[in-house]
Amino acid sequence: DAMVIQNPRYQVTQFGKPVTLSCSQTLNHNVMYWYQQKSSQAPKLLFHYYDKDFNNEADTPDNFQSRRPNTSFCFLDIRSPGLGDAAMYLCATSRDLGLGYEQYFGPGTRLTVT
Amino acid sequence: GENVEQHPSTLSVQEGDSAVIKCTYSDSASNYFPWYKQELGKGPQLIIDIRSNVGEKKDQRIAVTLNKTAKHFSLHITETQPEDSAVYFCAASKGGTSYGKLTFGQGTILTVHP
Repeated sequence: DAMVIQNPRYQVTQFGKPVTLSCSQTLNHNVMYWYQQKSSQAPKLLFHYYDKDFNNEADTPDNFQSRRPNTSFCFLDIRSPGLGDAAMYLCATSRDLGLGYEQYFGPGTRLTVT
Repeated sequence: GENVEQHPSTLSVQEGDSAVIKCTYSDSASNYFPWYKQELGKGPQLIIDIRSNVGEKKDQRIAVTLNKTAKHFSLHITETQPEDSAVYFCAASKGGTSYGKLTFGQGTILTVHP
């Protein structure tokens, strides 16, 4: 009965080699978020989609892109991963935007850059 | 932007004791304060939340208090159990144009010793 699914759970990529992380949801939520969580730190929002509308955080590097081809799926593309991009990447969903809509998190994808 | 400070960074208690984690926020417009529990290898999971029009909320062994004047809120866990061991994150959010964006605290590693 997993609601927010992330694949793969562990991903190893080489420095500079593009990588794509996947998120899917069974909740039919309008909003999907991508967070970066480095070791022993708080999750940091990269961007979110409200339906098909993409909203980038001001400090998200251009190296990070996202696609949402349909309601259920959202992808995080890292065009040229650097060593500093090694982190846990969390996908989350919420039914709508605004005050008090719970965000449901997936288990995360741990990215290693060699 | 919003800044959330969380203390302590680590907390160790004996089973059956109470645990208290405190957070302060900077933006007086923040009006929604969720608490997340993150177990090893999993994404954060909402355990309790409070809105700014409420001073206290309780759910079984977990309670949250909010002091809007002082801009701080706290998580209280009573009768702790080993399965309460996890990383706990507080967060703050405001409605309107901030799209429900969560700003997280730095996290507290709670260890409950049997």
